[in-house]
Amino acid sequence: DVKVTQSSRYLVKRTGEKVFLECVQDMDHENMFWYRQDPGLGLRLIYFSYDVKMKEKGDIPEGYSVSREKKERFSLILESASTNQTSMYLCASTPPPGQHYEQYFGPGTRLTVT
Amino acid sequence: AQSVAQPEDQVNVAEGNPLTVKCTYSVSGNPYLFWYVQYPNRGLQFLLKYITGDNLVKGSYGFEAEFNKSQTSFHLKKPSALVSDSALYFCAVRDGGNTGKLIFGQGTTLQVKP
Repeated sequence: DVKVTQSSRYLVKRTGEKVFLECVQDMDHENMFWYRQDPGLGLRLIYFSYDVKMKEKGDIPEGYSVSREKKERFSLILESASTNQTSMYLCASTPPPGQHYEQYFGPGTRLTVT
Repeated sequence: AQSVAQPEDQVNVAEGNPLTVKCTYSVSGNPYLFWYVQYPNRGLQFLLKYITGDNLVKGSYGFEAEFNKSQTSFHLKKPSALVSDSALYFCAVRDGGNTGKLIFGQGTTLQVKP
């Protein structure tokens, strides 16, 4: 079974702190994604990566950056956390097209910024 | 641009009754469609997908979905609802290209009452 893990299930940070959210997948997937989930808004794509050191902005990249130094790991960075970044953050991965198509999700990190 | 809509914020059904969660989509080209379920404070779990072939797709936990090209719909169904089916359900459509990006609907909460 594909496994996607996220470093924390719950995280509380203060405004202005630098926050790192880590995601690791064990299936050698090329593509990895970071979403935030807010009630009534569904999942919104923050950033995605289609290869090591390659990244592209999603729909809401402002206030975030990412890092992908190794294929299995994709990190989301909040440079200076703000209260409006309080949310559920979900990581996902997927193999290239032609295989399974669906994304595999981690358990999520619920981040609270105070 | 690709998009997906879930017209109902919440669906209520009695245990044992059939359930339907609605999804409509707008894509250019052939749609790749997905349903996911999310239990409280958990990540998304894949239920089923339509890529090509039979319009009736069967998935996990007794769920199925019917692809209707003329109505651009992909409704999720189950013949007999269980209380344990109560959760948040997301419909998604694959974006174009090779990145595996998905575009999600805003989600529908399914409440099954005993």
